[in-house]
Amino acid sequence: DAGVTQSPTHLIKTRGQQVTLRCSPKSGHDTVSWYQQALGQGPQFIFQYYEEEERQRGNFPDRFSGHQFPNYSSELNVNALLLGDSALYLCASSINRGVYEQYFGPGTRLTVT
Amino acid sequence: QKEVEQNSGPLSVPEGAIASLNCTYSDRGSQSFFWYRQYSGKSPELIMFIYSNGDKEDGRFTAQLNKASQYVSLLIRDSQPSDSATYLCAVRLSSGSARQLTFGSGTQLTVLP
Repeated sequence: DAGVTQSPTHLIKTRGQQVTLRCSPKSGHDTVSWYQQALGQGPQFIFQYYEEEERQRGNFPDRFSGHQFPNYSSELNVNALLLGDSALYLCASSINRGVYEQYFGPGTRLTVT
Repeated sequence: QKEVEQNSGPLSVPEGAIASLNCTYSDRGSQSFFWYRQYSGKSPELIMFIYSNGDKEDGRFTAQLNKASQYVSLLIRDSQPSDSATYLCAVRLSSGSARQLTFGSGTQLTVLP
């Protein structure tokens, strides 16, 4: 049973550029959440997708956008990158019922120079 | 006041001892509580969750929840050096239809051989 997968593993971008991160949820999961984790901090919620729609959004600017595809996979897009966007980006998948426990992928380490 | 608070540590315990990790939360209506383990450079791994008052045991791990005191803890019995990691407490808040997790900053645990 494949777990949550994310690509790429690492990424280096320049300020002002745009980036797309990808995530495939665990088999049987229908909900994808994205988190940003800065060094020494807990993950911060960006947004959650269910049924191909953004269901909830955290306190992140519109530069952060996403998409969910019919196969439940998801993308996170960040435009006009800032140095402060450097972080570990985590995708978590869950089932839309019960306690909604979330399982994380390995993450994408984004460095903005 | 932060929504989820943890002592940042570091917490050091000798091998074989009981490690006690604590977490408080501000939203009295919070519904589900999760403990994640995160090794350095890796993504968070779900250890266990709890949603009813009392204790829940899984192997060497015991989660304890006291909703009246807005307090959740994780006990690790017979601690091993391989338990050395950062432990993240996460809470599913009650606001609206919230299904995202709000994380504490984590407690760094070191188990000394």
